[in-house]
Amino acid sequence: GAGVSQSPRYKVAKRGQDVALRCDPISGHVSLFWYQQALGQGPEFLTYFQNEAQLDKSGLPSDRFFAERPEGSVSTLKIQRTQQEDSAVYLCASSLAGESTEAFFGQGTRLTVV
Amino acid sequence: DAKTTQPPSMDCAEGRAANLPCNHSTISGNEYVYWYRQIHSQGPQYIIHGLKNNETNEMASLIITEDRKSSTLILPHATLRDTAVYYCIVRVVSPPGNTPLVFGKGTRLSVIA
Repeated sequence: GAGVSQSPRYKVAKRGQDVALRCDPISGHVSLFWYQQALGQGPEFLTYFQNEAQLDKSGLPSDRFFAERPEGSVSTLKIQRTQQEDSAVYLCASSLAGESTEAFFGQGTRLTVV
Repeated sequence: DAKTTQPPSMDCAEGRAANLPCNHSTISGNEYVYWYRQIHSQGPQYIIHGLKNNETNEMASLIITEDRKSSTLILPHATLRDTAVYYCIVRVVSPPGNTPLVFGKGTRLSVIA
């Protein structure tokens, strides 16, 4: 595709429900990042993949958050037993590997937990 | 935590140059300065980056001071579509992979007709 695609664009979940957010990166992009953006704040890093390897998950806020990228392309961010504080926009970005390359962001998934 | 300091908001008249400052006094020798912007309801968009030399592309110019402790992003002829939050980010270079971008709160630029 022409850019990073995320689905769904909007998700409303009842508290306690599990959700799965999908990211289709730009074809050939080795690096993939997930960010969480609360209302009025800048994006905050969650986790990073290089191909299928999850090299950094230091930003995941709790063990309810899990991300995978099994074939080094599409990635899924899963949130178990959602809480109201999980309400945010979840952004995915991809880039080529190497020094100083730019990251391309998707439009994000807006998750609202009610 | 973000290693940059930016004013929370700025206004600019349409057609004039917008000069957005950023302080990064603790920048290390292997850190680039990146600028991204985020238009309402969209994901962040790359604008420009540099190490120590001034840079220019079709979107903007980046002026980095000689001591690298601050920089300025210049949009030469701001339009209403440039209204967005602008993020200045310093990023460690770590080949062969990438390091995550650490966003602060950015500067909300309002371009006024």
